[in-house]
Amino acid sequence: RKEVEQDPGPFNVPEGATVAFNCTYSNSASQSFFWYRQDCRKEPKLLMSVYSSGNEDGRFTAQLNRASQYISLLIRDSKLSDSATYLCVVPRVNDYKLSFGAGTTVTVRA
Amino acid sequence: NAGVTQTPKFQVLKTGQSMTLQCAQDMNHNSMYWYRQDPGMGLRLIYYSASEGTTDKGEVPNGYNVSRLNKREFSLRLESAAPSQTSVYFCASSDLAGPPHGNEQFFGPGTRLTVL
Repeated sequence: RKEVEQDPGPFNVPEGATVAFNCTYSNSASQSFFWYRQDCRKEPKLLMSVYSSGNEDGRFTAQLNRASQYISLLIRDSKLSDSATYLCVVPRVNDYKLSFGAGTTVTVRA
Repeated sequence: NAGVTQTPKFQVLKTGQSMTLQCAQDMNHNSMYWYRQDPGMGLRLIYYSASEGTTDKGEVPNGYNVSRLNKREFSLRLESAAPSQTSVYFCASSDLAGPPHGNEQFFGPGTRLTVL
């Protein structure tokens, strides 16, 4: 089983819609999580950190389900500028490394 | 602040050629990382340097070497390039953050490398 798995999508949604997608992780001891955003042919950038049950930042909400070992990202009132690939990232428990999911692609259409 | 810078942005090599990818950060971070990103796959760690003076292998180190020149600079060398090393290479840096929490990593703009 991969350390971090994501639905690759693509999720194709109209402007104003809500879109949500999940990320599953294999190590039950993981304690913190990140969502990064990566625009086409650009570097990843941190979108949100999740240290407890969840986090909310404007139109973006991340929720953590430790029992089922997944985190979700929900985007409300989607904008064209939300079109990107969203990377789920889980710090490794025993060292300084991060485990990256392959990403979920979201396309918001006018 | 420039953040993390990488040179070159693009490079085409022939099989067997060598080259060095340069990375520098101006955020006074202790840790630096080299990743490669291939279509359909997550970022894979090649090498990392938890602090100045130390380097360690990541999950895909074969065919690469690194040098942590000082706190700011971390270079990646391909001694004999192979087509399998065609990829996008990202350098990243972060504050030293022990497990299990980890710390945000800041990425450079990437180097797009093609090996013919």
